[in-house]
Parts: sequence; structure tokens; C-alpha cells
Amino acid sequence: DQQVKQNSPSLSVQEGRISILNCDYTNSMFDYFLWYKKYPAEGPTFLISISSIKDKNEDGRFTVFLNKSAKHLSLHIVPSQPGDSAVYFCAASASGGTSYGKLTFGQGTILTVHP
Amino acid sequence: DGGITQSPKYLFRKEGQNVTLSCEQNLNHDAMYWYRQDPGQGLRLIYYSQIVNDFQKGDIAEGYSVSREKKESFPLTVTSAQKNPTAFYLCASSIHRLEGYTFGSGTRLTVV
Repeated sequence: DQQVKQNSPSLSVQEGRISILNCDYTNSMFDYFLWYKKYPAEGPTFLISISSIKDKNEDGRFTVFLNKSAKHLSLHIVPSQPGDSAVYFCAASASGGTSYGKLTFGQGTILTVHP
Repeated sequence: DGGITQSPKYLFRKEGQNVTLSCEQNLNHDAMYWYRQDPGQGLRLIYYSQIVNDFQKGDIAEGYSVSREKKESFPLTVTSAQKNPTAFYLCASSIHRLEGYTFGSGTRLTVV
């Protein structure tokens, strides 16, 4: 059972425009969400996160929105740049148990930003 | 410079052989994880360890084994029982869930 889903395998955007990547989750125990960016043959790197007590978190060109009632989060990149072309994974963790919290990842969305 | 080192970057295995993937971190993180990436399936958790000498199975542990004898090291053995071992393997560590993971650069395993 896929608890974190990224239903769009790929997204193509023109440079300078907005990129919107979406993620849905089913586990209501998830209370912390992260986005990672991954280039081929490399490990993912952390991009931005959001706690369930917030509905928005912004860091430069990147903004993550969380809609708890819909169990949906999205990552907005404005303006998109060719260097943003990568695979983007959303991930979620639940509180309770230890403080480490294993992450559950979505399938990833391949973003291509065209010059 | 702190980080996670995975080796080798590329590994070829013959059918029926066991292979061990190395993961070392100097971040002083307590928790370490092994994930497998397959096309279209994202990252799936194989094993994780939250403290030395203790580890738990993840979602796809069959055919894999791990050890955690030192805080810095979390090697993964892909055994001959793993039916489809060809994949990209990622090791990660964390100090607290709100800090997320630090990932290694991965090992590409191919069965020949």
C-alpha cells in the first residue's frame, strides 16, 4: 500500500515559469513532510520541509503548501530554472516512537525545465 | 568534512553470489537507513538502525541482511536469496526526524 503518492511521473516547464509538484498521502499519522531533489547516480539532497502545524513554508524560490484535510502537499518553484531539472521526491514521517522517524517516500516526479 | 560514504559506486554480481555494500558516516548520527531505488517505485526502505547493535526490517527486507557493530558503519549484504537485486542502493543517516536524512551518493548493483 503506497502511503505517499506522487501521481505525476513527469513534468515539463518553461524556464521562468512556475513548477508545481504534487504529493498525496494516506496515513493520518504523518505530521512532518519533506521534499528531496535527486540527480541521476547521486543521493537525494534535502530541499524544504513543513510541519503539520503549518500550511506553508517558504525558502527562496521554493514554497511548500500543506492541506491537511485533503492530505495533500505541493512544492512550488518560482521561477523555474534549467538547473532545477531533477527528480523530486516527497517524503513523510510520523511522530511517536523514537525521535528518528523513518521516512516514507513517494515515487518521484521528473521535472524538466526547458530554456 | 562530514558526510556519508558509500562504496563501491558500481558493483557487478554473478547469480548466486552474496555481495556487501559499504556505508560509513562521520556525522555522529545515531540512525542509519538503507533504501533501494527502482524506476517508477521511488525509494523503498530495506533496513534501518536507530542505535548500535540494533536494527529493524523495513518494507522489503527479504534477501538482505545488515549489521550495526559501530555507530559509523551500516553495511548491507545482498544475498543470493534476493530475486531481483539489480537496483540503485542508497544509504542515509539522521540525527532527528525534523532534520531529515543525509544521503550517500549510492551504489549501482547489477547482476550479470
